[in-house]
Amino acid sequence: DIQMTQSPSTLSASVGDRVTITCRASRSISSWLAWYQQRPGKAPKLLIYKASSLESGVPSRFSGSESGTEFTLTISSLQPDDFATYYCQQYDDYPLTFGGGTKVEIK
Amino acid sequence: QVQLQESGPGLVKPSDTLSLMCAVSGDSISSSKWWGWIRQPPGKGLEWIGYIYYNGDTYYNASLKSRVTMSVDTSKNQFSLKLSSVTAVDTAVYYCTRKDAGNFAFDIWGQGTMVTVSS
Repeated sequence: DIQMTQSPSTLSASVGDRVTITCRASRSISSWLAWYQQRPGKAPKLLIYKASSLESGVPSRFSGSESGTEFTLTISSLQPDDFATYYCQQYDDYPLTFGGGTKVEIK
Repeated sequence: QVQLQESGPGLVKPSDTLSLMCAVSGDSISSSKWWGWIRQPPGKGLEWIGYIYYNGDTYYNASLKSRVTMSVDTSKNQFSLKLSSVTAVDTAVYYCTRKDAGNFAFDIWGQGTMVTVSS
């Protein structure tokens, strides 16, 4: 199975901060990586697919990038709605696997 | 817009079979999509269970494959999950999901339904 390792597991930040979350795959997954946002008590919501493509309707302050097996989700200016947990997911091979999540908390 | 709605018992006894249904609205279950299930134990991360195409083709997580059955009912535009021989570790929120055929992410999620395994 492909292991997805996210860091940090928790992140404290303030409104307006630039936030970066990292996800590392245990082997090459090409660009088959997605990022999801999950607010408490809600279903995950797709933000980014194919490593850097923004899902329709998602604010442009969210962006994704990749370098080899390391993938990054960046929020350019954190907004109150963005305090949530973020998950990466690979869809290159079965079983599809998720990272452990990064909780973005208010500082 | 496309919506998915899970339904099923919120409490299942150990060793019984968990059965959930997902009703699809705003899209045809016979379109070029895969319809699947993902679960999340309380306070933990996400685990992919599997998905099914309208023609019955399936992909299951190998860790659950021996206990999982998915099916599609095209006449009712819904699909289902059965997980047999459940134990407490199967307690989770179960989400139904959709993804396009090919290498695509899960773009539509149901609101989720909590299933507790307890006697």
